Formats: sequence, C-alpha cells, structure tokens
Amino acid sequence: EDQVTQSPEALRLQEGESSSLNCSYTVSGLRGLFWYRQDPGKGPEFLFTLYSAGEEKEKERLKATLTKKESFLHITAPKPEDSATYLCAARKQAGTALIFGKGTTLSVSS
Amino acid sequence: GAVVSQHPSWVICKSGTSVKIECRSLDFQATTMFWYRQFPKQSLMLMATSNEGSKATYEQGVEKDKFLINHASLTLSTLTVTSAHPEDSSFYICSAREGKTYEQYFGPGTRLTVT
Repeated sequence: EDQVTQSPEALRLQEGESSSLNCSYTVSGLRGLFWYRQDPGKGPEFLFTLYSAGEEKEKERLKATLTKKESFLHITAPKPEDSATYLCAARKQAGTALIFGKGTTLSVSS
Repeated sequence: GAVVSQHPSWVICKSGTSVKIECRSLDFQATTMFWYRQFPKQSLMLMATSNEGSKATYEQGVEKDKFLINHASLTLSTLTVTSAHPEDSSFYICSAREGKTYEQYFGPGTRLTVT
C-alpha cells in the first residue's frame, strides 16, 4: 500500500536552532515528492517538488532533499514566522492526486 | 499566477440541509480538480477526482450520492454536501491541475460546520 509517513509529529525549536523534518515514503513509481506549508485554517502553500534521488532545492531558510526512500526538509536558523505545519506528499503519476503524510507541526519560539 | 479560490471560506448549516462549495481556477484552465477533506490535526484525504465534462471518480468509502461533484467548466468545480450531518463537519480543500504542466494548486479551503 502506498504510504507517506512524517516524523516527528510535532517539533519545538528555539529561534536560530536548526533541525530537519523527515518524510519516508513507500510509493511505487514515484513521480514527484512535494513539500507544502500549511497555516491554521488555510490551504497548503507549495514549497518544493523533488523528482529524483539526490535532488536538492532551497528557498530562504528551507532546503529539501530526496533519497530513494525518504525526503528531508532542513530548516536553518528558523524564525517564529516559520511556525506552521509542514506537509509532505507523493505523486504516483503525473497529474494524479497526491498522497499526503500527516504533517509535522513546527513551533519556533523567540 | 496559478491561483485557486474557494467559496465560501466558511459555512455553518443545520443538520439535514445541503451545502455547495465552489472551487475556481482564476488564471488557468483546470482539466482536473481534486477534492480533499481534512479533519483536525489530520492530513488531507482525497475524496474524489473530477474531470471537466465527465463524472467524478470517488475514493473508496466516499459516498457519491452524499458528496455531489460537478465540473461543468475548465475553471469551476462544485462540491455539494447533501443532507449534511455533524460528522460531515470538516475542512474541505480543492486543488486544480493545470492542463499543460500538470502542477496542482490548492485553494484556501472551506470550513464546514454542521449543527
């Protein structure tokens, strides 16, 4: 069964304390691994798409990496405004629906 | 670009009534739209896939007669929750697939509360 698992479920960091979020997947024929940010009561906001093992993408304090079994979202020197739920999702075929993990809720305190 | 809107953003209705939620792609044509449901502290669960001009495909366990989906144009899909019950209270999110790139863009979601 295709599955996406995220860990930890919740993460509390001090401002400036770097860390990583994990997304492990068992999806046959992966055609894209997605990261989204979701704020309370809002829809997911697109961050990254990764397509092949070894690929990396960066945006401000975030960097996403992909291996054959998992993806990491690295957060460098986080700020309180980075507090949100980060969702990982996998896609089996181009144009099909995404399979979401349960998310990691990140809280960054100043 | 690539903006998806939903209307309403929140709605409260009484048990037994029906509610319609609209999902619009504002600046692109969406041949396919997806409807997800998200319960508190849970992830997004796919309910159905709708293709313009054809019947929606529902995920296992989703009642097609209760959740009516219409994708009448390349920019609009609607989800109607019929005979709503309190257990239908949830956050409903749509996404629209852009026809050329296959990328998906999410709407802001609709909070449904059934009393």
